[in-house]
Amino acid sequence: DGGITQSPKYLFRKEGQNVTLSCEQNLNHDAMYWYRQDPGQGLRLIYYSQIVNDFQKGDIAEGYSVSREKKESFPLTVTSAQKNPTAFYLCASSTRQANSGNTIYFGEGSWLTVV
Amino acid sequence: GENVEQHPSTLSVQEGDSAVIKCTYSDSASNYFPWYKQELGKRPQLIIDIRSNVGEKKDQRIAVTLNKTAKHFSLHITETQPEDSAVYFCAASGGSARQLTFGSGTQLTVLP
Repeated sequence: DGGITQSPKYLFRKEGQNVTLSCEQNLNHDAMYWYRQDPGQGLRLIYYSQIVNDFQKGDIAEGYSVSREKKESFPLTVTSAQKNPTAFYLCASSTRQANSGNTIYFGEGSWLTVV
Repeated sequence: GENVEQHPSTLSVQEGDSAVIKCTYSDSASNYFPWYKQELGKRPQLIIDIRSNVGEKKDQRIAVTLNKTAKHFSLHITETQPEDSAVYFCAASGGSARQLTFGSGTQLTVLP
């Protein structure tokens, strides 16, 4: 839990701008995730990465991009192509367990607002 | 892929009463079912989980039950307290969708 750091906690974006949310973990976890949470809704998976230099689209990847150059870091870029980016963004990580469930631990979250 | 439905979306109980939240899942191959608690403006935190080789798990005032045949699992909170007020999410994974799929959440309010 405490080993996942997201920044910034609050971010304002102007129309047409790209913004990048940072996520760093010191838990030595292989897998990292980005979720989006809208008010009154559940968590929807944007992107995930099981290993360095590899990542996969989740359910709502359009308008977002990621990179995984280091095991500890998984930044998320919200591009201008994302038409409704105002939301609470949660980064998470887990050990990579092939045959059993992954216990996911979340960062504190980042609030993104379009102004 | 997996689809998880959660009910009810809101639940109010009197302090000291029990609360039950139910989830159903679609992928019979799913084998891991965690529950998360999220307080307002904070991150979800794991409170209990169950794997498909057991039918029930307890941890003090909370318990989770799993019915694999019916593909549903439930969270039970006994002797509720005001600090139990939060949004609770169920999730499932381990089937064709290897990643966790979350339910839509239940806002639990414990009335003093």
